[in-house]
Amino acid sequence: DARVTQTPRHKVTEMGQEVTMRCQPILGHNTVFWYRQTMMQGLELLAYFRNRAPLDDSGMPKDRFSAEMPDATLATLKIQPSEPRDSAVYFCASGLAMSNQPQHFGDGTRLSIL
Amino acid sequence: RKEVEQDPGPFNVPEGATVAFNCTYSNSASQSFFWYRQDCRKEPKLLMSVYSSGNEDGRFTAQLNRASQYISLLIRDSKLSDSATYLCVVAASGYSSASKIIFGSGTRLSIRP
Repeated sequence: DARVTQTPRHKVTEMGQEVTMRCQPILGHNTVFWYRQTMMQGLELLAYFRNRAPLDDSGMPKDRFSAEMPDATLATLKIQPSEPRDSAVYFCASGLAMSNQPQHFGDGTRLSIL
Repeated sequence: RKEVEQDPGPFNVPEGATVAFNCTYSNSASQSFFWYRQDCRKEPKLLMSVYSSGNEDGRFTAQLNRASQYISLLIRDSKLSDSATYLCVVAASGYSSASKIIFGSGTRLSIRP
């Protein structure tokens, strides 16, 4: 089965450090989503790309977060500088830009900022 | 009011029971609906899409009520392995535009032996 691949699976770092999370979408999928999940907030959409173009990043704190798709096989989410409140599980999902097509999630990156 | 609301539960039911959850949404322009399940410390996984006429997949039945703006999930003959959090997903216009895809906060289901 094709899968969305995320790296790293776990990341622990000190506040102020840069964090980069990577995602390889399923081959052929042209939409990519970044989500953040915490116990308190549930699943929040941070950014959404279609055909590598960012279409919606309104859920993302702009001052420290950035999301890019340098090519069709790689999406990145960066946090600089990181803060303890950024601790969460970050999921990447990919799908097809057609109605009624679901998203498929990666395993997530568990991020802890000390 | 949240755009997508679910009863957080937990629902604690015996094995073999039938259980149902609802998910209400506020945007009447919503067009795509899904149920996902998420196991503890795992990623959400698609359970089923929800079609206008309702659809069934084995022990699972999904319904859409556009007039009242809710979707439902019915699980018959529940198994221990059904214990998970069930998330509803609502999208305003599919993925063909920069639509907002909203996940509900999830309903926790626990099946007891």
